[in-house]
Amino acid sequence: DTAVSQTPKYLVTQMGNDKSIKCEQNLGHDTMYWYKQDSKKFLKIMFSYNNKELIINETVPNRFSPKSPDKAHLNLHINSLELGDSAVYFCASSQGRQGGQYFGPGTRLTVT
Amino acid sequence: QQPVQSPQAVILREGEDAVINCSSSKALYSVHWYRQKHGEAPVFLMILLKGGEQKGHEKISASFNEKKQQSSLYLTASQLSYSGTYFCGTEYTDKLIFGTGTRLQVFP
Repeated sequence: DTAVSQTPKYLVTQMGNDKSIKCEQNLGHDTMYWYKQDSKKFLKIMFSYNNKELIINETVPNRFSPKSPDKAHLNLHINSLELGDSAVYFCASSQGRQGGQYFGPGTRLTVT
Repeated sequence: QQPVQSPQAVILREGEDAVINCSSSKALYSVHWYRQKHGEAPVFLMILLKGGEQKGHEKISASFNEKKQQSSLYLTASQLSYSGTYFCGTEYTDKLIFGTGTRLQVFP
């Protein structure tokens, strides 16, 4: 059974479009995250939710909006996509702040 | 703010040892270590919560020197499966900041 799953795995779209990425974890964790990994492999936190409550909101454009319907799901909606949004987006989960983070397989977003 | 890892890259033969260092300019509250293989997600290896703590995971272990604001990852008798990019992560203001990464390649 997949612990942290993401859909889709690949996303190719044109500038200006709106897209969503979904994430689900079956580990029973209470904290979920969105990370962006750029072409230089730098992993940067974007958002974090604890029991559906937003606890970390990094300096991310307003075009990015996370949503957590319950503690097992965390979605990411992106409006008006730009070329610079091209990256791999990882969802992760942990039990509390001090637990190890378990990552989903990633979504490779390519904006043309 | 981003932890600096050294070396940036390591090339090993199977059976050789390596040490990867992670240094932070800010006080460290905990240190995570992850390994990411090409095209895959980062995989959690271990977390060190206290200064002076040492942990082991098969032939991979780590230490955490809180005073020096650094952590080291030790890989002994390396195997081909150890190849990948290793990231440390340090906790800062409730979020994990990942390091610059160390690319490790193990050859037969």
